[in-house]
Amino acid sequence: ETGVTQSPTHLIKTRGQQVTLRCSSQSGHNTVSWYQQALGQGPQFIFQYYREEENGRGNFPPRFSGLQFPNYSSELNVNALELDDSALYLCASSPPRRASGLNTGELFFGEGSRLTVL
Amino acid sequence: KNQVEQSPQSLIILEGKNCTLQCNYTVSPFSNLRWYKQDTGRGPVSLTIMTFSENTKSNGRYTATLDADTKQSSLHITASQLSDSASYICVVWGLGANNLFFGTGTRLTVIP
Repeated sequence: ETGVTQSPTHLIKTRGQQVTLRCSSQSGHNTVSWYQQALGQGPQFIFQYYREEENGRGNFPPRFSGLQFPNYSSELNVNALELDDSALYLCASSPPRRASGLNTGELFFGEGSRLTVL
Repeated sequence: KNQVEQSPQSLIILEGKNCTLQCNYTVSPFSNLRWYKQDTGRGPVSLTIMTFSENTKSNGRYTATLDADTKQSSLHITASQLSDSASYICVVWGLGANNLFFGTGTRLTVIP
């Protein structure tokens, strides 16, 4: 168990709808990243939040947006859902950066939210 | 272009046998390399992490090797068990906040 929890575990939406996925990071972790994983593929980076600010973004359109709260939990919102948005959405938290300021890349993943768009 | 390529794409082995999975990368500069195990429909779980100066690291029956000169890594699984059936993902971390590159994984199936 990584201590990272995601909800819901499964959900079904129709094209054009909006969805909100939630993630609680491991205790003490202040960085949260979101990934989209299509069937049979590796995870694709969506964005990362550090101390409530977006800290980097992958190649995803603006209808993918997020939030991080003061307790470091996070939400991923997707508007105007498309069929290709069907995927496993993974959240990963990272421990605080070291004194050097470098992020070591340690990721602790949740179990994911399986989104199906019909 | 920064890329991580894994081979084979899929592999079937008999229980008790050994196997080796490969990861080649072109990420530069390089910070560290991780192997993750991902059971179907679950989140990835870290197996090993290696930095530039490390050549080998073990975690039980899993042994990872790294050749930073040739930019190659391997994951060796000894005496495979049915529970080893999963996808194994190689992840390379470049320097910088978000320079994380994922391979597409090797799907391992262990059969009795």
